[in-house]
Amino acid sequence: QQQVKQSPQSLIVQKGGISIINCAYENTAFDYFPWYQQFPGKGPALLIAIRPDVSEKKEGRFTISFNKSAKQFSLHIMDSQPGDSATYFCAATHRGDMDSNYQLIWGAGTKLIIKP
Amino acid sequence: SAVISQKPSRDICQRGTSLTIQCQVDSQVTMMFWYRQQPGQSLTLIATANQGSEATYESGFVIDKFPISRPNLTFSTLTVSNMSPEDSSIYLCSATRNTGAYDEQYFGPGTRLTVT
Repeated sequence: QQQVKQSPQSLIVQKGGISIINCAYENTAFDYFPWYQQFPGKGPALLIAIRPDVSEKKEGRFTISFNKSAKQFSLHIMDSQPGDSATYFCAATHRGDMDSNYQLIWGAGTKLIIKP
Repeated sequence: SAVISQKPSRDICQRGTSLTIQCQVDSQVTMMFWYRQQPGQSLTLIATANQGSEATYESGFVIDKFPISRPNLTFSTLTVSNMSPEDSSIYLCSATRNTGAYDEQYFGPGTRLTVT
């Protein structure tokens, strides 16, 4: 019940296309869903995050879509660029649970390659 | 955001020795964590570094193997003790800061450890 399932494992998209990465969770207590971007040799960088009281959040070319009833959330990268090539991780946590220490439950990651 | 630095950035160590990794945050944070990440894989939480008290370890990780200190709000160390080749991995320090809406979690660049 603590798992976050991420798909696909890898994704190849043409430059200018839309990249879509999906995550699903079981724990309905989760109330914070961030996405991280990681380049080789670097630590993960917080990209965008959403709370379940909204269905969509957009920051530039990056959009999170959230479906509370389906317990799914996805990252959309519009007009994908070669510089977006990286590994993307979704995560989830229950911020209201002090015992959880706000631990993030991580997806397995998606390696995204944008072909020029 | 929070700027997190780690030292060393990489090291090659002989089996049976120990390595201490330092993590410094540019300003006060609430929580600090230590993760391990195998190349191409997701993140595994080792422990939560608690200021002035013993760290909270996740299942499969013990204090004798991974002693952690956090003497103040912005600094923590992780020691990998009595190393074996199985300890070869990337070790990441992270910290959370409350932004009002979220407790956002940020990561250091990682320490790449190779044990021979």
